[in-house]
Amino acid sequence: GNSVTQMEGPVTLSEEAFLTINCTYTATGYPSLFWYVQYPGEGLQLLLKATKADDKGSNKGFEATYRKETTSFHLEKGSVQVSDSAVYFCALRGNQGGKLIFGQGTELSVKP
Amino acid sequence: GAVVSQHPSWVICKSGTSVKIECRSLDFQATTMFWYRQFPKQSLMLMATSNEGSKATYEQGVEKDKFLINHASLTLSTLTVTSAHPEDSSFYICSAWGGRGTEAFFGQGTRLTVV
Repeated sequence: GNSVTQMEGPVTLSEEAFLTINCTYTATGYPSLFWYVQYPGEGLQLLLKATKADDKGSNKGFEATYRKETTSFHLEKGSVQVSDSAVYFCALRGNQGGKLIFGQGTELSVKP
Repeated sequence: GAVVSQHPSWVICKSGTSVKIECRSLDFQATTMFWYRQFPKQSLMLMATSNEGSKATYEQGVEKDKFLINHASLTLSTLTVTSAHPEDSSFYICSAWGGRGTEAFFGQGTRLTVV
C-alpha cells in the first residue's frame, strides 16, 4: 500500500540556518504530494503541494520538488526563522479514495 | 480559501459518557470528510471516511460502534465517541477536500480528555 516516510525529529536549528526535511514515498500510479504544517494545539495548514513529477511547490520561502526517480519530496528553506518552529508533515494522495497518507511528522525548533 | 470549522476545540468528559464532535465546511460543500486521530508527538491516523448520505468507511482496527460518524448534510459531519474511556483521550481532526478537490482543508482539531 501507499506509505510516506520522513526524517525523524526533533530538528533544532539556529535562526537563518538552511533547512532540509527528507520525505520519501511508496505509491502505485502517480500520487499528489503535500507538505502540511501544524502549530501547537492547532489543525494542519497546507504549506505546499505538487501534483506531478518534476513539479516544484513553493510557499513562504519553503520549496519541495516532486522527484519520481527517487520517490522523494524533500522540504527545504534557505533561511529559517523562529516563527517556522512547528511540526511538518509530508503526505500523499493516491489515485483512489482521496484520503491523505501522512508521514510521521518532523518537529522543527528554531532558536534565536 | 475554504474553511473547515470544528467544534468544540476541547472537551473534558467523564468515563462512560458520550461526546459529539462537529465538523463543518463553511463556504463549500463536502460530500466526503475524513476523521483523523492524533496522539501526542505522533502522526495523524485516519479513522474513517465520512460520506454524505451513506455509511462511513472505517479503517482497519477502528471500532465503528465506538466511533459513530454521521454525515447528514453536505456541510456537516459528526463524530460521536460513545462510552468514552481514558484511552480515547486524544486530538481528533477532521478534513475535507475543497478548492475543486485539489487541497485538503483541516479543522482546528478537538482535544478530548476523558477522566
